[in-house]
Amino acid sequence: QSALTQPASVSGSPGQSITISCTGTSSDVGGYDYVAWYQQHPGKAPKLIIYRVSERPSGLSDRFSGSKSGNTASLTISGLQADDEAHYYCSSYTSSSTWVFGGGTELTVL
Amino acid sequence: QAQLVESGGGVVQPGRSLRLSCVASGFTFSSFGMYWVRQAPGKGLEWLAVVSLDGTNKYYADSVKGRFTISRDNSRDTLLLQMNSVRVEDTAVYYCAKDRHNDAFDIWGQGTMVTVSS
Repeated sequence: QSALTQPASVSGSPGQSITISCTGTSSDVGGYDYVAWYQQHPGKAPKLIIYRVSERPSGLSDRFSGSKSGNTASLTISGLQADDEAHYYCSSYTSSSTWVFGGGTELTVL
Repeated sequence: QAQLVESGGGVVQPGRSLRLSCVASGFTFSSFGMYWVRQAPGKGLEWLAVVSLDGTNKYYADSVKGRFTISRDNSRDTLLLQMNSVRVEDTAVYYCAKDRHNDAFDIWGQGTMVTVSS
């Protein structure tokens, strides 16, 4: 049950776009379309922002989008805003009927 | 709206036991799988366990298998986590989360802090 691999940090200026990658194996990310992304602000609970690789919960901004290619999933945030500054985590279902998270990525809006 | 409220956290000595609770409201609790996830101070999220909607199927992370037990009481809309033989490395904020449709965790509680220390 090794954690999925995410970059420790990314940054971008307001209005720009950034992409966060999430790399796993064929036993998790590559084997299932059950990849999700969560946003977590300091001291708060995580919030679901993407499920099933690219689906957005009702009411969530379309500035957030997800994709997957092989064993790597990606989260793209366009039109960066100050409030997007947070930690982002990916997760995936696994072949062991368990779930695994990525190590998390800290997004800084410059 | 859907809400989850955890309780039961606190300071516990290594080797002792603790039981966490998570009370659900605003949705039909018995219709969804439920999860426990934890976050050590300054660290990332770690998935711990899942229980099926009727409580019959349970899966655990290797880090807690054999020590922690997830269960649920659908008559009380309550999710439980029995933590036995706790270790210093179990120190974390523990979150309960609701399954969306077997594909993500869509509702999270506010978390309850567990500190394992002598």
